[in-house]
Amino acid sequence: DSGVTQTPKHLITATGQRVTLRCSPRSGDLSVYWYQQSLDQGLQFLIQYYNGEERAKGNILERFSAQQFPDLHSELNLSSLELGDSALYFCASSPGASGTNEQFFGPGTRLTVL
Amino acid sequence: TQLLEQSPQFLSIQEGENLTVYCNSSSVFSSLQWYRQEPGEGPVLLVTVVTGGEVKKLKRLTFQFGDARKDSSLHITAAQPGDTGLYLCAGADFQKLVFGTGTRLLVSP
Repeated sequence: DSGVTQTPKHLITATGQRVTLRCSPRSGDLSVYWYQQSLDQGLQFLIQYYNGEERAKGNILERFSAQQFPDLHSELNLSSLELGDSALYFCASSPGASGTNEQFFGPGTRLTVL
Repeated sequence: TQLLEQSPQFLSIQEGENLTVYCNSSSVFSSLQWYRQEPGEGPVLLVTVVTGGEVKKLKRLTFQFGDARKDSSLHITAAQPGDTGLYLCAGADFQKLVFGTGTRLLVSP
């Protein structure tokens, strides 16, 4: 158990819909990272927040957005969903601001878009 | 876009065999991490290597960082079924980690 929690574990929705994924980092960690993992693209970095502020951005679509709240939990919002958005979404956390720090991953949310 | 290519993509071996997984890039990384991911779970950090030429051992696993800090290898001695999983290397690039394409290992009893 990494100490990072993610909800929900599974999510099934239809194209065009909007969903919110939630992540709670390990106690004391200030950075939260979001990743997308699909069979053909591997593990892709989406975005990083550090202590409430956006820190780094990766290959995140404009239809996706994220935020980190004062209690340090984070949410990833996916809108106008397409079939290709079906994937595993992971959240990771680390103590410091550097995105190159060792990261601790949550169990993931499996999103299926029908 | 930086790429970390891992080879082989898939490896199926018998218990007791040795194996090596490679992680290669044309880019230099300040450090490199290795993770293992089991089905339905998130990646778990195994090791971080920082210095060119560095070798780290974790029980039956030996990790090496290339002298030029562009490549790395993971060697497993006497593989066990519990080693089964997806092995991912990840290079540290300024503000983020760049993950490799992954090597899926299956160790049969």
